[in-house]
Amino acid sequence: EVQLVESGGGLVQTGGSLRLSCAASAFTFSRYAMSWVRQAPGKGLEWVSAISGSGGSTYYADSVKGRFTISRDNSKNTLSLQMNSLRAEDTAVYYCAKDRCSSGTCYSFDYWGPGTLVTVSS
Amino acid sequence: DIQMTQSPSTLSASVGDRVTITCRASQSISTWLAWHQQKPGKAPKLLIYKASSLESGVPSRFSGGGSGTEFTLTISSLQPDDFATYYCQHGGTFGQGTKVEIK
Repeated sequence: EVQLVESGGGLVQTGGSLRLSCAASAFTFSRYAMSWVRQAPGKGLEWVSAISGSGGSTYYADSVKGRFTISRDNSKNTLSLQMNSLRAEDTAVYYCAKDRCSSGTCYSFDYWGPGTLVTVSS
Repeated sequence: DIQMTQSPSTLSASVGDRVTITCRASQSISTWLAWHQQKPGKAPKLLIYKASSLESGVPSRFSGGGSGTEFTLTISSLQPDDFATYYCQHGGTFGQGTKVEIK
C-alpha cells in the first residue's frame, strides 16, 4: 500500500530554517509529481509547492516563493522542503501529497502523509 | 490564477439526509476537479476525482457531478462517519472547505 511519511517538523524561531522530508513507498516514486500542502491551525488547506517526477520543474505559492525550496531524491524515494526565513504565518501542519496521475498532472492528489507540525515562534 | 469557491461554509444535517456541496471555479476547468474529506487531526482523503469518478474504496453514497465552472458533491444518505470537512481541489487550488455538522 502506498505510504507517505513526513518528518522534520518542530519548533523554530522567527527567521530560522527547517528541512522537512517525506519518505515514500509502494509506488514508482519517480513517475509522479509530488506536492507540499499546509494547514494552519483551524484553517483550510493551502498548496505550498510542487515538483515534477523528474525533479526538473518546480512550482511555488507566492507566499513562500524565494524562501522555500522543494527537491526530491528519486534514488531514495524522498521528497524534501527546505524552509528558510520562517515567519509566524508559516506555522501549520505540512502534508506531502502524491499526484494521482503518472504523467504530467491530474490536478488531484490521491495519497497524503499524516503531516508534520511546524511551529514558528519568537 | 483560478479561484475555487465552495458553498456553504457550514452545513447542519441529520443522519439519513441527502446533502449537496457546491464548488465554483473562476474559469472553466473542464472536469479537472477532486473532492477530499478531512476529519479533525487527520490528513485529507480523496473521495472523487475527475469531477465524478469515485476513488476506490469510497462508499457509493458519495457522488460528484458538474463540468466547466460548477461542481457538486452529493452524499445520498448521510452516515455518522461522514461528519467532516470537505474540500474541492483543482491542482494547487483548494476551496475554503465545507464543514458538515450534526443537526
